[in-house]
Order: sequence, then C-alpha cells, then structure tokens
Amino acid sequence: GQQVMQIPQYQHVQEGEDFTTYCNSSTTLSNIQWYKQRPGGHPVFLIQLVKSGEVKKQKRLTFQFGEAKKNSSLHITATQTTDVGTYFCAGGGISGNTPLVFGKGTRLSVIA
Amino acid sequence: DAGITQSPRYKITETGRQVTLMCHQTWSHSYMFWYRQDLGHGLRLIYYSAAADITDKGEVPDGYVVSRSKTENFPLTLESATRSQTSVYFCASYSSSVDTQYFGPGTRLTVL
Repeated sequence: GQQVMQIPQYQHVQEGEDFTTYCNSSTTLSNIQWYKQRPGGHPVFLIQLVKSGEVKKQKRLTFQFGEAKKNSSLHITATQTTDVGTYFCAGGGISGNTPLVFGKGTRLSVIA
Repeated sequence: DAGITQSPRYKITETGRQVTLMCHQTWSHSYMFWYRQDLGHGLRLIYYSAAADITDKGEVPDGYVVSRSKTENFPLTLESATRSQTSVYFCASYSSSVDTQYFGPGTRLTVL
C-alpha cells in the first residue's frame, strides 16, 4: 500500500535558524497536506498542495510539492519558539476515495 | 459550536474490559476517522466512515469496533482492551468544501 516517509524524525534548532522537513511517497499523490501538532495538542491543518511543482507560503513557512507529486517539503525561516511542535505531512486524499496516509512526523524543538 | 468533540478526554481501564470512546461533530461532515497516535508510529488509521452506516477498516483495525448510526457520531469500541491499546486516540472529520480534516482534542487511554 501507499507509504509516506518523513525525515528527519527530530530536529533541534537554535531560535532564528531555519528548519526543513521532507516528505516522500512511494506512489504519486493526488495532493499533500501539512499539519502541525503542538505538544499535548491535536493535529491542526496548515495547508494543502495539489498541483505539480506548487509552492505556497504562509509568513515564514514555505511549502513545496514536487514535480512528480511524490515528495514535498516544509521550510521554516528564522524559527521562533512558537514553531515548536510536530509537523506531519499526509498524502492521498478523499478525491481518490482513499483516506489520507500520514507520515510519522518531524518533531521540532527550538532553543531560545 | 464546538466542532468536533471527544469523550472522555482521559480514561484508565483494565485489561479485558470493554471501552467505548465517543466522537461527535456538529458540521454534518460525511467522512469521519479514528486514529491512534503512538511514539515512533505517527498517526495510524484504525477505521473510517464515509457516511452513516458505512464503515471501513484502516491500517490497524484489529481489536476495535466502530458504528455510525448517525452522521454526527462515530464511537470506537475496544471490545476487550489490551495493554498494547494504550495510546492517544484522535477522531477526525473531513470537509469536502475545503478538502481538509479537522481533528478532535484526543482521548488518552491507558490500559493497565
């Protein structure tokens, strides 16, 4: 079945440094979604990418979807302590009548 | 309007007991999901439902039972709890209008 691999599993950065997490799928995706989960909280939707090569920005966050629609990345510029949490990618989509497949997440720690 | 709620938020039970986790959403979303979250495994899909009276297995369905008699409710039952079912359980519903999932606050279940 479809698998979504996410790296790194953990990342510790100094406040102000950049951070990137990568997501790779074993199959072509109809779309990819990114979620953030704060410690002790629940996953919260950040963004969805649908088009090949798509790039979207949300303030300091930049999301990319690969040309082959099999990989994606989330880049945070100049991390802040409020960025702490686990970032999940999820591939697939209801449009294909298949549930999202989640990566295992990247846990980001930011040292002030 | 709470959106999606789960109850109880915390539960301690003993091996062999039956436990039911409740999930309720106020949006009338057709799709609903149950995930479990464990360290090192990310979010794993247990069961999902496309509509009332329609359910399907996810990645890790063994030991769980679901029902969906009403659109707004999607209870998850552990028929005979085992220690390996100690986990955090998240319910989610899917909005087709924005193509995203909304997660409930989670239930932390401990099986002794």
